Amino acid sequence: QKEVEQNSGPLSVPEGAIASLNCTYSDRGSQSFFWYRQYSGKSPELIMFIYSNGDKEDGRFTAQLNKASQYVSLLIRDSQPSDSATYLCAVTRNSGNTPLVFGKGTRLSVIA
Amino acid sequence: GAGVSQSPSNKVTEKGKDVELRCDPISGHTALYWYRQSLGQGLEFLIYFQGNSAPDKSGLPSDRFSAERTGGSVSTLTIQRTQQEDSAVYLCASSQSSTHEQYFGPGTRLTVT
Repeated sequence: QKEVEQNSGPLSVPEGAIASLNCTYSDRGSQSFFWYRQYSGKSPELIMFIYSNGDKEDGRFTAQLNKASQYVSLLIRDSQPSDSATYLCAVTRNSGNTPLVFGKGTRLSVIA
Repeated sequence: GAGVSQSPSNKVTEKGKDVELRCDPISGHTALYWYRQSLGQGLEFLIYFQGNSAPDKSGLPSDRFSAERTGGSVSTLTIQRTQQEDSAVYLCASSQSSTHEQYFGPGTRLTVT
């Protein structure tokens, strides 16, 4: 069964620190990887996607992918209280438009 | 531009009634997906439409659930004879044909009493 695993948290970090969120997946055929942020009572918001091994940076966010280890992570630099949310990791196997398989999310709390 | 829209935002219904949930995808997006999220649970895939191809219904939990997409745009998810376990937030997402990124609507919170 294809699964995406995340630590449920909560992960608490002080304001200004680096938050590191991790995700592992079981399907070696996975090709595309996404991070969504979900505030309480809101729908998921896409913040990063990565398709190739290595790092991808966008502002304060860096996504890291290691397909050999079946591991993807999200780093948030200079964490702010507004970053407090649940972060969902999602993967998909095929090229083209296919459903995402989601992890259950990690709750991040940034303490001012 | 306009994002994915869904209606209604909230729906309370009695057990056994039928409900219809609507999704209007981002203009130009050919792929449309339905997911649901139960309290404290992850997102569960229900069904997806890609252009004029037959929909992938592999995630529908029972034959009480059905969906259609008219004119390659608006989609309606129908739940017949609702049960209390159908209570959840139903989320719609869309994506362009050539990319994988899915963008979500605000969701419909369904409560079955």
